[in-house]
Amino acid sequence: DGGITQSPKYLFRKEGQNVTLSCEQNLNHDAMYWYRQDPGQGLRLIYYSQIVNDFQKGDIAEGYSVSREKKESFPLTVTSAQKNPTAFYLCASKSGGDSTDTQYFGPGTRLTVL
Amino acid sequence: EDKVVQSPLSLVVHEGDTVTLNCSYEVTNFRSLLWYKQEKKAPTFLFMLTSSGIEKKSGRLSSILDKKELSSILNITATQTGDSAIYLCAVGPGGGATNKLIFGTGTLLAVQP
Repeated sequence: DGGITQSPKYLFRKEGQNVTLSCEQNLNHDAMYWYRQDPGQGLRLIYYSQIVNDFQKGDIAEGYSVSREKKESFPLTVTSAQKNPTAFYLCASKSGGDSTDTQYFGPGTRLTVL
Repeated sequence: EDKVVQSPLSLVVHEGDTVTLNCSYEVTNFRSLLWYKQEKKAPTFLFMLTSSGIEKKSGRLSSILDKKELSSILNITATQTGDSAIYLCAVGPGGGATNKLIFGTGTLLAVQP
């Protein structure tokens, strides 16, 4: 089955720790995205990558880092510099280019800072 | 600044009612408007509307794009409890990049039996 997987489902972090959220897709999509969702604020873009070995900051990139070494994978690291990391994190992907804007989402990771 | 505004923020209806959700937008170079349904986890894609496809329908759900008014509506007829979800509207491209979507805050729909 083609799709996007995220792991873990739930993650607990102590203050001062870095954590990495996994996102993998087997849809052969070029573009991948990371969003953060907080209650009442919709989806806010953290980072996105349109092609392997390239990525751009989104609207709220501070305190986060990413890598795109493989087409299938786009891990997100939440660093200790992120002041309020407790949130629901969604990964998405889409076909490359301008042929479509439709993004497909993974099931999400809920991160809680203790 | 590009933005997408959805209304109402939340809505409670009874099974069988018809609901209309609204989405208005301001983006520099509009190409498409998308609707997603989010129940507990991943948003699932419903419709994409463009200048060449301003009306879409699937079962009890339908959506229309009004490019003159820079808005869209999502209609759900004969609502069921399974329609309870957050409905997200997104517009692309946004933020000066050709592959970004700008999301609204969503409408929380609760359908009571």
